[in-house]
Amino acid sequence: AQKITQTQPGMFVQEKEAVTLDCTYDTSDQSYGLFWYKQPSSGEMIFLIYQGSYDEQNATEGRYSLNFQKARKSANLVISASQLGDSAMYFCAMTINFGNEKLTFGTGTRLTIIP
Amino acid sequence: DGGITQSPKYLFRKEGQNVTLSCEQNLNHDAMYWYRQDPGQGLRLIYYSQIVNDFQKGDIAEGYSVSREKKESFPLTVTSAQKNPTAFYLCASSTEDRVRDYGYTFGSGTRLTVV
Repeated sequence: AQKITQTQPGMFVQEKEAVTLDCTYDTSDQSYGLFWYKQPSSGEMIFLIYQGSYDEQNATEGRYSLNFQKARKSANLVISASQLGDSAMYFCAMTINFGNEKLTFGTGTRLTIIP
Repeated sequence: DGGITQSPKYLFRKEGQNVTLSCEQNLNHDAMYWYRQDPGQGLRLIYYSQIVNDFQKGDIAEGYSVSREKKESFPLTVTSAQKNPTAFYLCASSTEDRVRDYGYTFGSGTRLTVV
């Protein structure tokens, strides 16, 4: 079974600073995918970034990057130059193989950006 | 534009009633999923379906039932056996060849309250 651990229930960050949200995972499978989602107060789930277990480079998507450390089973999300609109819940998730399998979520981190 | 439509947005259930939450997608995705989210918590998997006429239990299937008679539709019934159904319910879908760029696609959710 897969497990995702997010150890930061809440974080406060000054606007324009970079922020790192922690995520560790546990699986015995060699083929897996890692995801980060943003959930604003409206409740919608917004896909941010994806990393496959065989990807040799860290994924990047605009201001988002995923710091993938396979040996440590770590998949931290880095948001550069934070903005007020980044305030939301952030969830790390994983699936075995690379799609069409169940997505397992962590408990989330509530990020608040301070002006 | 393609997407997932969940209805209704808000639903009120009386004690002992069964209610059905609708989830329709026009993305031609093979797999569909139902998640439950309690306040301040992560998402927990109720049921998922990788193909029409087949589905599997997730981590918290007790008190819920689903059907997958059409590729586009995956309704969730919350039965009277579910003792604490008040929660936010999210439907999702995925297709393996688009997971890297688009992740799993989520609907906007249904908030179910027992009155």
